[in-house]
Amino acid sequence: GAGVSQSPSNKVTEKGKDVELRCDPISGHTALYWYRQSLGQGLEFLIYFQGNSAPDKSGLPSDRFSAERTGGSVSTLTIQRTQQEDSAVYLCASSLQPAREEFFGPGTRLTVL
Amino acid sequence: QQQVKQSPQSLIVQKGGISIINCAYENTAFDYFPWYQQFPGKGPALLIAIRPDVSEKKEGRFTISFNKSAKQFSLHIMDSQPGDSATYFCAASRRISGFQKLVFGTGTRLLVSP
Repeated sequence: GAGVSQSPSNKVTEKGKDVELRCDPISGHTALYWYRQSLGQGLEFLIYFQGNSAPDKSGLPSDRFSAERTGGSVSTLTIQRTQQEDSAVYLCASSLQPAREEFFGPGTRLTVL
Repeated sequence: QQQVKQSPQSLIVQKGGISIINCAYENTAFDYFPWYQQFPGKGPALLIAIRPDVSEKKEGRFTISFNKSAKQFSLHIMDSQPGDSATYFCAASRRISGFQKLVFGTGTRLLVSP
C-alpha cells in the first residue's frame, strides 16, 4: 500500500516568507509526527498528533512554527517568517497506534535564502 | 542537550567485513532502542530494535548488542554489502503522554566498498 507522502519534495523560499509543508499519513494510522533533520544532525522531534487529542507541541523550536491535522488525517506544518536556520529536511512519520513502529515519509527539503 | 551520542560519524568497510556503530545514552528511563537506516532522498526506516530486558537481538545480518550498566548499545552488520551503504541512526525513547518520544543520535554514514 501507499506509504507516507509529503509535499513539496523541495521548497526554496526567501527569508521572512511563510511556508506550508504537507504530510499525508498512511491510511488508518492514528499517530502522526513531525521531525526536523538538519545537516549533520540527527532527527529532532517537533510535534505529535494522536487522533483528536491535543497535540504534543513540546519540540517546536519557536512560536513561528505551528502544525495542524485536519480530520485526523492530513497534516500541515507552517513556518512563519522563515529564517536561514530553518533550512533543513522536514520529515513526517505515522504509526498505527502510539508506541508502534513509525513509518517515515521522504521529507521536504526546505532552503531559506 | 544531546541525550544520545553516536559514533563514528562516518565509516568505510570492505565488502564482507563487519560494520560496528556505537551509541551511548544518558537517561536511564529510556526503554526502547531502535536503529534506523536511511538512504539518500528517503526517510529513515526501522531496521531493528531492542528493549533493555535483553542483551542482544539478531535479525539476519544485523545484531544489536545492549549493555544496560554502561548505558551503551551498538549495531553490528555482519558480511557488509555495498547495498548496506546508507546513514544509520540510533535512537532511544521512553513513553511520555502515551507515545514513545524518540531521541536520535547524529547518524553514521556507512560506505561499504566493493
